[in-house]
Amino acid sequence: QVQLQESGPGLVRPSQTLSLTCTVSGDSIGSGSYYWSWLRQPAGKGPEWIGRIHTSGNTYFNPSLKGRATISKDTSKNLFSLSLDSVTVADTAVYYCARDSETGEVWYWGQGTLITVSS
Amino acid sequence: QSALTQPASVSGSPGQSITVSCTGTNSDVGAYNFVSWYQQHPGNAPKLIIFDVTNRPSGVSHRFSGSKSGNTASLTISGLQAEDEAVYFCCSHVGSSTYVFGTGTKVTVL
Repeated sequence: QVQLQESGPGLVRPSQTLSLTCTVSGDSIGSGSYYWSWLRQPAGKGPEWIGRIHTSGNTYFNPSLKGRATISKDTSKNLFSLSLDSVTVADTAVYYCARDSETGEVWYWGQGTLITVSS
Repeated sequence: QSALTQPASVSGSPGQSITVSCTGTNSDVGAYNFVSWYQQHPGNAPKLIIFDVTNRPSGVSHRFSGSKSGNTASLTISGLQAEDEAVYFCCSHVGSSTYVFGTGTKVTVL
C-alpha cells in the first residue's frame, strides 16, 4: 500500500519561501511511470493542482503560479519536495502530496498539512 | 486554467438517484476523455471514485457512475445512502501533463 506523509512548518511569513517534504513508503519514486504531485486546498474550496515530478525527473507546473513553485526529488531517501516562493495570504491552504497517473487521476493522497501564511 | 464549474449543492432522499454536473470547455473536459471524480468527507483527503470518465477503481461502489457529453461531465449516484453525503469534485486533464479541478458540489442526503 502506497503511503505519503507531508511535513512542513505550519506557519510561514508573507514574502518568505514555503518548503514542504513528502516521504513515500510502499513505492519507489525512482521507478515505474508515475507522477509525484503537490496539490493544495484552501478552506471551503476545491483542490488546486500545483505541480508534479515524473520518475524521470521531468517537472510540470500550474501556469497560474507564475514560476513560483519548484519540485525536486531525492531518490535515495524516497522523498520529494515543494518550494513555493514569495508567499502571500492567498497561499494559505491544506497542502497535499500525492501519486498520480499520466492523465491526472490521483490514486494516493497524503493526509495533508495546513500551511498558514501570516505575519 | 479556470476551475471547472459545478453546482454548489445537490440533495436527494435515501434510495433516489442524483446527478452532479461538471462543465468545462473544449480545451479540457471536451478535449480529453480523462475526467475523474473525487469524494471528500470532512477532514479527509479526497478519494478517487471515477477515472477516465466512466471507470471505477476497485472497491468503489457500483452505485457511482460517470459520463460525458461535449464539455460537460456528470457523476450519478444511484440508490443514495447516508454515507454518500460528502463534497464531490471533478477533475480534467488539460494537456501538457497538467490538470484542473472543479469548484465542488456538496451532496446532502435528506
